[in-house]
Amino acid sequence: DIQMTQSPSTLSASVGDRVTITCRASQSISSWLAWYQQKPGKAPKLLIYRASSLESGVPSRFSGSGSGTEFTLTISSLQPDDFATYYCHFGTFGQGTKVEIK
Amino acid sequence: QVQLVESGGGVVQPGGSLRLSCAASGFSFRLYGMDWVRQAPGKGLEWVAVISYDGTTTDYADSVKGRFTISTDTSNNTVYLQMNSLRAEDTAVYYCAKDRRGSSSFRNNRYYYYGMDVWGQGTTVTVSS
Repeated sequence: DIQMTQSPSTLSASVGDRVTITCRASQSISSWLAWYQQKPGKAPKLLIYRASSLESGVPSRFSGSGSGTEFTLTISSLQPDDFATYYCHFGTFGQGTKVEIK
Repeated sequence: QVQLVESGGGVVQPGGSLRLSCAASGFSFRLYGMDWVRQAPGKGLEWVAVISYDGTTTDYADSVKGRFTISTDTSNNTVYLQMNSLRAEDTAVYYCAKDRRGSSSFRNNRYYYYGMDVWGQGTTVTVSS
């Protein structure tokens, strides 16, 4: 099975900061990667699919890039609603990155 | 509106069985693949299973292969997860989710995945004696 490795596991940031989360696949998956946001007690929410396509209704401050084995999720200017846990996914999920208030 | 509603969770003894249901509404159910994803208490997400739009293709996480079965009933727009030989480590919130396309494929270099765009609220399964 393909393994997905995310980093960092926790990220402390302030409102307005630019935030980047990295996901690495154990072998090439082309651009078949999705990113999800999850808040405590809630179901995950799709943010990005096909590595860089923004899901309808998701703010444009979220962007994704990468292909092959290296991928990134970027939040250009962190907003209060963005403090959550983020997961990459292809088959298996990454371990998650918790974005906390600094 | 587009909605998924899970049911069937509960407390079951190790070795027991449980069937989860997920009722879909607000979209053309027979056009999309469907998944189950779970989350153990305090842990991350774990993809469990997927079924294609026409029910001909299924895939499972290694941790549940041979014990869980995903199926659909297009007559009542419902996806099921039959869980047998349950273990303590199967304790989790189980979510059903709709694929953005007709199926997803994570194996054999025939990759195809557009993400899961609609999720249910989850149903809790506890495996304990």
